[in-house]
Amino acid sequence: ETGVTQTPRHLVMGMTNKKSLKCEQHLGHNAMYWYKQSAKKPLELMFVYNFKEQTENNSVPSRFSPECPNSSHLFLHLHTLQPEDSALYLCASSQEGHSNQPQHFGDGTRLSIL
Amino acid sequence: DAKTTQPPSMDCAEGRAANLPCNHSTISGNEYVYWYRQIHSQGPQYIIHGLKNNETNEMASLIITEDRKSSTLILPHATLRDTAVYYCIVSGGSNYKLTFGKGTLLTVNP
Repeated sequence: ETGVTQTPRHLVMGMTNKKSLKCEQHLGHNAMYWYKQSAKKPLELMFVYNFKEQTENNSVPSRFSPECPNSSHLFLHLHTLQPEDSALYLCASSQEGHSNQPQHFGDGTRLSIL
Repeated sequence: DAKTTQPPSMDCAEGRAANLPCNHSTISGNEYVYWYRQIHSQGPQYIIHGLKNNETNEMASLIITEDRKSSTLILPHATLRDTAVYYCIVSGGSNYKLTFGKGTLLTVNP
């Protein structure tokens, strides 16, 4: 139990569907992150939120839309995805962003695009 | 950005110490060395981090050389559940991001 919970664990969707990934952290942290891990590739940082404000968008296509309503919850809204978007999507949190505090990860959502 | 170099794979016998090396010759003075591991089908797990002093916690020990150009993660008594990919990452100062490389696949054998 890492204190970071992601749902669903697995998701299969068509390219025209709209779905959302959810992340919740119970660590009292103020920064949250979305990462993408494709097969045989290193983790790639997608978005960073610090105190509910987006502070980093790592050139992510607009078909991925993050939302951070409060410091404990983070969503990733998906729309019109492509087959190459199939990957493991990981959420992480840390005490603060832009700092030397370690990040704690959830177990991810395995996304498959048909 | 400082980068790290790790061997792609290592083997260790169960019950023995696992010593995982990492080179980071371009590390800056305000950058930390972080270690994470990822077991198959799970998210990365934070293990330990340090700046220049050696560090120890309930999971592992981190030995950083005096010149800070390399470090070693030590799992004192490896178990089969320690089989995972171990990532050494340098981060800190103005570069707070965690940049994951390919890591070292540690296989603990019975």
